[in-house]
Amino acid sequence: NAGVTQTPKFRILKIGQSMTLQCTQDMNHNYMYWYRQDPGMGLKLIYYSVGAGITDKGEVPNGYNVSRSTTEDFPLRLELAAPSQTSVYFCASTGGGGYTFGSGTRLTVV
Amino acid sequence: GESVGLHLPTLSVQEGDNSIINCAYSNSASDYFIWYKQESGKGPQFIIDIRSNMDKRQGQRVTVLLNKTVKHLSLQIAATQPGDSAVYFCAEITGTASKLTFGTGTRLQVTL
Repeated sequence: NAGVTQTPKFRILKIGQSMTLQCTQDMNHNYMYWYRQDPGMGLKLIYYSVGAGITDKGEVPNGYNVSRSTTEDFPLRLELAAPSQTSVYFCASTGGGGYTFGSGTRLTVV
Repeated sequence: GESVGLHLPTLSVQEGDNSIINCAYSNSASDYFIWYKQESGKGPQFIIDIRSNMDKRQGQRVTVLLNKTVKHLSLQIAATQPGDSAVYFCAEITGTASKLTFGTGTRLQVTL
């Protein structure tokens, strides 16, 4: 039981490049979330999903897209990377009990 | 909009003393709150939670107090240890999708 797995752990992107942050959970949780955390700040919700095929915007969705084709996977897509997207990204899931967070992806856009 | 915030950005305590970390929330409809601990380079780690129908909940060395009248939440850590040094966040659960709304965090520094 691995919990929530995020890949990659670190990435440097050039402005305008695109990438996908991967998130997988093996707990059969319906609810999954993507957060970003800027230095010295709390986590802000980007997108969330309440089940396969269902996604919705959070507080800061601009510049991101998500999909949820399976219960296990919830990838986050950056199409045109901007310096403002430099942050640490956390994926989380819950099945109605506690929340499980991944270890994060540190993204730098230069 | 609705938000969760913290009073103190940094708290320094001596090893063995008790720590109190405070949090103010503004969404009176929130019915579930969680305290998280985050160590450098790691994701948030669950500490303790409390529902709005409770005033107090105790765990191992930690106690959460909820005052709904003034919309205030606190985390008490007894006999603070060096391993408690981290950033602590309170979060409230909002909406049917159980979304977490985080505050900005308090850094706890434990001195020897």
